[in-house]
Parts: sequence; structure tokens; C-alpha cells
Amino acid sequence: NAGVTQTPKFQVLKTGQSMTLQCAQDMNHNSMYWYRQDPGMGLRLIYYSASEGTTDKGEVPNGYNVSRLNKREFSLRLESAAPSQTSVYFCAFRAGTNTEAFFGQGTRLTVV
Amino acid sequence: RKEVEQDPGPFNVPEGATVAFNCTYSNSASQSFFWYRQDCRKEPKLLMSVYSSGNEDGRFTAQLNRASQYISLLIRDSKLSDSATYLCVVNPSGGNNNDMRFGAGTRLTVKP
Repeated sequence: NAGVTQTPKFQVLKTGQSMTLQCAQDMNHNSMYWYRQDPGMGLRLIYYSASEGTTDKGEVPNGYNVSRLNKREFSLRLESAAPSQTSVYFCAFRAGTNTEAFFGQGTRLTVV
Repeated sequence: RKEVEQDPGPFNVPEGATVAFNCTYSNSASQSFFWYRQDCRKEPKLLMSVYSSGNEDGRFTAQLNRASQYISLLIRDSKLSDSATYLCVVNPSGGNNNDMRFGAGTRLTVKP
């Protein structure tokens, strides 16, 4: 899938539980992203990383943390899941501003 | 006002029809523009970039109107396989200029 691995594909959490979504790319691109997609809302940016060791908040960062430990991997952590975080999460990466973005297959998360 | 707006549809058209989608954006300094396609329960994939001079790829034509701040996608001779949601993506300028802003998508169903 265009050199990107996103795990897990599905997850059900209880309110208050924590989890980490993993994303890894093998195309050696600098920019990596985490989005959530909700019905009627489109994809909304949670966090973004321009390069290894740097991260920036997007539109909806509250309740999430991220980690870019190396160029390949960008993880998203929910410390204390809430029902409002029920969504489909996509990681993405691309080489630069005007280039194609590649997406992971998505994680369907349900918080009960 | 949303930063990127699309008519959500759905557009239901017969095979062979021509269909057009518009997308408006609010940031007049936006740098680059794209159309992505997303199949049901799948990740978005690049359909085409949108250049200032307009561009065509087979049955698909994309145009940019900077004065009116919209981009368009025209699909000629619709096929059943064109059924999907089409996402408008805009790169805003500014501090976080590697960001991507998505419209909520326009759903297209092509019927026999």
C-alpha cells in the first residue's frame, strides 16, 4: 500500500483506556500527518511532522499526543480515550508541499 | 465559513453522463490544489493535481479559478467504476505551509 504500514486496522476501547496508533513509511519522505475522518466533516488534521524530531498541532490536537522518533515512524497516542474520539484515523506522508500524499489504510476506532 | 467547501451530493448519474464538481476555498493565498478519490471504507488516493493553466487526464479535467477561489473537476463519459467520493484538497499558505486542508467530499454514484 504505497510503502505505508498503519496499525491496527480496527480497535474498540473503553472510555479512559489508552492506545497508540502506529504508522511507518519506507519512501524516505520528510512530512508525515495524522488525520481523523468523521461523517460530513472531511479529514481534519490532528498533528503534523515536517521532519524527524519535530511536530506541530493541527486543527484538532486536543486529547492526542504524537511522537516522531525517526524518519520512518510517526505514532499517535490517545492517553485517555473518549467517545468523541470514535473515528477513522489515517496517517499520511509526502515529500513536500506540492507533491502527492500517500495514506495508510486507516484505523477504525470505537470508544465505548 | 469552512476553509474548503464542497457540495456533498450525492450526485447520481447514468453511465456515459458528464458530471462536474466545484470546490471553493477561503484562503486567497493558497498555494496548491488537488483532487483525491476515496472509495468506500478505503484511504484517499490522488486523482490529479490542479494547475493554474488547467489540466486534463483522459476523461478527467481539472481547472482552477483564483479570482473566484474555486477549483472544479469534470468527468466525461462516466463509468460505473467512477463511483466514489471526490475530495478537494488545498494547501494553504502561511506558517504551517505544508498542511493539507480537505473538503468534506462529494459523493458520486454512476448507475447502469
